[in-house]
Amino acid sequence: GAVVSQHPSRVICKSGTSVKIECRSLDFQATTMFWYRQFPKQSLMLMATSNEGSKATYEQGVEKDKFLINHASLTLSTLTVTSAHPEDSSFYICSARDGGDSYEQYFGPGTRLTVT
Amino acid sequence: GQNIDQPTEMTATEGAIVQINCTYQTSGFNGLFWYQQHAGEAPTFLSYNVLDGLEEKGRFSSFLSRSKGYSYLLLKELQMKDSASYLCAALDSNYQLIWGAGTKLIIKP
Repeated sequence: GAVVSQHPSRVICKSGTSVKIECRSLDFQATTMFWYRQFPKQSLMLMATSNEGSKATYEQGVEKDKFLINHASLTLSTLTVTSAHPEDSSFYICSARDGGDSYEQYFGPGTRLTVT
Repeated sequence: GQNIDQPTEMTATEGAIVQINCTYQTSGFNGLFWYQQHAGEAPTFLSYNVLDGLEEKGRFSSFLSRSKGYSYLLLKELQMKDSASYLCAALDSNYQLIWGAGTKLIIKP
């Protein structure tokens, strides 16, 4: 149980275009979803936390107008990287929590974004 | 401020035992997680400790001392597939995970 999927797994886009990444909890209801970014050989960096039906809470230094997050249902959150630039190339990982007593985060497989 | 410290890199031999330490300073504390992350993949859950003591799960064990702000992950009978980064993360008073930078474990034959 507790499976999280992410789509796409890899995406290459041109500078200036927008890319949408989907994160789905397949067998549980995710009251909270998290979006992380990870550059090569670095640790996870939390970008934002989103609760279903409310606006995402962004970490300091993360532009909310550039990284649009929509947590429209208890099983789906999307991250849209708008007007992507090469410096946005990274590994984007989502995770989900089911709102129970366990605060374990279940991670999706990640999306590798390359902006050319 | 909130801070998690763990060694950047460790090397061990196949079949041996290795202990990865983690110290934390957080505003409030609601438990400590260990995750394993292979290169290019997402983290996977290993353990969660909220009470003092040792939790054993197969070849992996995790220890917590709340009074010392200290945890360790113990890996026994090391296998080559254990080569990965090990992430320590503490749950603060707001139930937010504060992540360490990870310890890259290199297993040599």
